[in-house]
This record gives sequence, C-alpha cells and structure tokens, in this order.
Amino acid sequence: DAKTTQPPSMDCAEGRAANLPCNHSTISGNEYVYWYRQIHSQGPQYIIHGLKNNETNEMASLIITEDRKSSTLILPHATLRDTAVYYCIVRVEGGGSEKLVFGKGMKLTVNP
Amino acid sequence: NAGVMQNPRHLVRRRGQEARLRCSPMKGHSHVYWYRQLPEEGLKFMVYLQKENIIDESGMPKERFSAEFPKEGPSILRIQQVVRGDSAAYFCASSPPGSPGNTIYFGEGSWLTVV
Repeated sequence: DAKTTQPPSMDCAEGRAANLPCNHSTISGNEYVYWYRQIHSQGPQYIIHGLKNNETNEMASLIITEDRKSSTLILPHATLRDTAVYYCIVRVEGGGSEKLVFGKGMKLTVNP
Repeated sequence: NAGVMQNPRHLVRRRGQEARLRCSPMKGHSHVYWYRQLPEEGLKFMVYLQKENIIDESGMPKERFSAEFPKEGPSILRIQQVVRGDSAAYFCASSPPGSPGNTIYFGEGSWLTVV
C-alpha cells in the first residue's frame, strides 16, 4: 500500500504558484520522497525527490517538514501545461528490494 | 542520452495469444521496474529486476506473466494466453545502481489491447 495521502484534486490559476500537499506520516528514516506527474496517456515524468532537506530544480521546489511526516511540492509559476495527475511517492525498501509505490495521486488543473 | 525506450507502443492481441513487451533502460542503468496501469487507475508495481536477476516479483500475477532482464538486450515482460483483463498500459522504469536516492525514470509505456 502507498505510504502517502494526497487530496484528490486541486485548482490553480495560471501564473500563480501551485502548492501541492502530501502526507507521509509513516515514512521511515531512510526513505525518500519522490514526486512524479502524469499527463494523460504519457509515462510518469520525474519532477523532484528528497530525503530531509528542501530541494529545488528547474521544475519545482520540494519542502519537507522537519519531522518528515509531510511535504509540499511547489510549482512557482503554474502554466496550462502543468495540468496533470501528480503523484507523491515514498520509495519503499525492504527484503532486498526497493520500489516506488504509487497512490491515487492528485489531479491539478491549471485554469487560464 | 536517450531515455527509457519501450516497444511496441501499441499492441493488439486476440484472447489466448502471447504479448511481449520490451524495455531498453537508460544508458548505465542496470535496474528495471515494470508497472501496470489499468484504465482510470494508478500505477501498480509488478516486478523489479537487475541484470539477470529478479529481485522482487511481488506484484506479478502468479500465472501467465513473466519477466526477464538478460545480460545483453532489453528487459522483456511476457504475457501468455492474454485475456481481456490484461488490457492496460505497461510502463517500464530504470535507475542506475547504487544509492536509494537515485532517480528512477519511466518510459512512455506500451498499450496492450486484448480483443
């Protein structure tokens, strides 16, 4: 089962920052948080990931709380092309294996 | 640097036939993952392979499905005697060896339709 919970959907105005929340209260100390997005009929696109510290790249910023029980993905200036399903994922390790366990994700709709 | 390559992108099979889906990981990546996405659902983990080894197949159906990642060549997901319920998008992902903080990249998927 996925270790993350996200709201099912969110709207954002074009040009505004989109703040996408995620809860992962059962995350273990060495498990990373990953964010992907999927636009209809395409493969999941990697956005960003982190362990403890906040991370930033050309696409987004990832803010992880100090207790690591939640995080926020920030798209600084949302565009219509950012409309997609966003997945917050904990990379699970155990029994010699590691994998991304997807939940249902959150549909972000960017409105003009 | 080419991304994760999957083929065929679209495959139509009649019930009872076999489907073979291929995945070429990114250069330097020796870890491959297969996921299945049914219509209007999220991605479900199927299997995790490293070169010549199946590490975790906990998500694979017990019958008709198999996967391999040989020393040379692409990873293959094989579905024997396909049924309509196998119709789905199958995604492959790859990552380099090493730390758990490595990035995992996905391919564009193979869409299987069983008629």
